[in-house]
Amino acid sequence: QVQLQESGPGLVKPSETLSLTCSVSGYSISSGYYWGWIRQPPGKGLEWIGSIYHTGSTYYNPSLKSRVTISVDTSKNQFSLRLTSVTAADTAVYFCAKSGLWLFDYWGQGTLVTVSS
Amino acid sequence: ENVLTQSPGTLSLSPGERATLSCRARQSVSSTYLAWYQQKPGQAPRLLIYGASSRATGIPDRFSGSGSGTDFTLAISRLEPEDFAVYYCQQYGGSPPGTFGQGTKLEIK
Repeated sequence: QVQLQESGPGLVKPSETLSLTCSVSGYSISSGYYWGWIRQPPGKGLEWIGSIYHTGSTYYNPSLKSRVTISVDTSKNQFSLRLTSVTAADTAVYFCAKSGLWLFDYWGQGTLVTVSS
Repeated sequence: ENVLTQSPGTLSLSPGERATLSCRARQSVSSTYLAWYQQKPGQAPRLLIYGASSRATGIPDRFSGSGSGTDFTLAISRLEPEDFAVYYCQQYGGSPPGTFGQGTKLEIK
């Protein structure tokens, strides 16, 4: 059974960089599939942020592309999200997920990141 | 960008009734790439339907998906108490990939 777990700071100051890591168990990232990040502002809908293929190829939502970097560490079976120059609008629950293309079949439980000074 | 619009925003029904949720795309979506998710408060979304009509593993057969082109439907034949949640459609083959609808909240009447 594939399991994903997000980790990282729950509070980030405006203009700083949000960094999250997703630890994967039950499956080796280097074996395949896409690994992505989705966020959900409080009380709102889902927004795909971006994904990384097991080979390292990345795909980003055009609306966030200039601020997002997703990377993978196969030795730790983890992948990470960096979002720069955050504002209050980036306050959200951030989910990591496994996908075949962009169909998300396994999700982490999500972690709330608040942007505030 | 292909925008997905879900309706209604909120649907109030009683257990045992049938629910019909709609997802309309601005541009045609290949049926192969239309999915539905269920999300309960405080939980991650759960994949229900993929390829417009195929149930994901472990999903009860009271859930069914249909549609093609720009109009898709999720039906729940007989509502159980655990079905009351928010439902999202998603197109996973377009640009940008992974676009979600804004959601339909299914609440107990």
